[in-house]
Amino acid sequence: GAVVSQHPSRVICKSGTSVKIECRSLDFQATTMFWYRQFPKQSLMLMATSNEGSKATYEQGVEKDKFLINHASLTLSTLTVTSAHPEDSSFYICSASTPLNTEAFFGQGTRLTVV
Amino acid sequence: GENVGLHLPTLSVQEGDNSIINCAYSNSASDYFIWYKQESGKGPQFIIDIRSNMDKRQGQRVTVLLNKTVKHLSLQIAATQPGDSAVYFCAASSGGSNYKLTFGKGTLLTVNP
Repeated sequence: GAVVSQHPSRVICKSGTSVKIECRSLDFQATTMFWYRQFPKQSLMLMATSNEGSKATYEQGVEKDKFLINHASLTLSTLTVTSAHPEDSSFYICSASTPLNTEAFFGQGTRLTVV
Repeated sequence: GENVGLHLPTLSVQEGDNSIINCAYSNSASDYFIWYKQESGKGPQFIIDIRSNMDKRQGQRVTVLLNKTVKHLSLQIAATQPGDSAVYFCAASSGGSNYKLTFGKGTLLTVNP
């Protein structure tokens, strides 16, 4: 199946700094990617939809200035958590769909810890 | 919007038994449903999907049943193995997989050897 790769898998940063997470579709082009956040023992919550070449669409309650999304190419979307705080500590997961609009493939996730 | 939930938060079965995990959704416009398996510290892994024009789909050891009348779907795992132990999520969308998915709460499946 198609592969979606996230990097880094784990990151620890100091409060107030920014962290960038990359999501790559390795063997297919993804015009749309999705970013999710997952707190411990909870479900995935959609944060935003990343569209190649245009602005991301954010879900209600998600601060677009805090969670910057860039989808500059058909194989790469990035999520930057700006001025991170301990409450931003979470598991961030991206997904992408094949152009044939079949199943969505998920990255392995990024564990962010803000200290 | 979507509201997708699960009936049971935990399920414990014996190895070799069949497992059934249930899920309810609220949006009648939902037309695409997926079951995912998530192991600790990893991203969701696709198990099986079903579109609203079907009521049953079978994979290897797994079957998904969809009842649109009551907005319910289930995942059946045959001959459950210890490696099946994980959290299982259902997800739904109203535009295929290129449209955003709404996830249910998740069911923790524990398989006892």
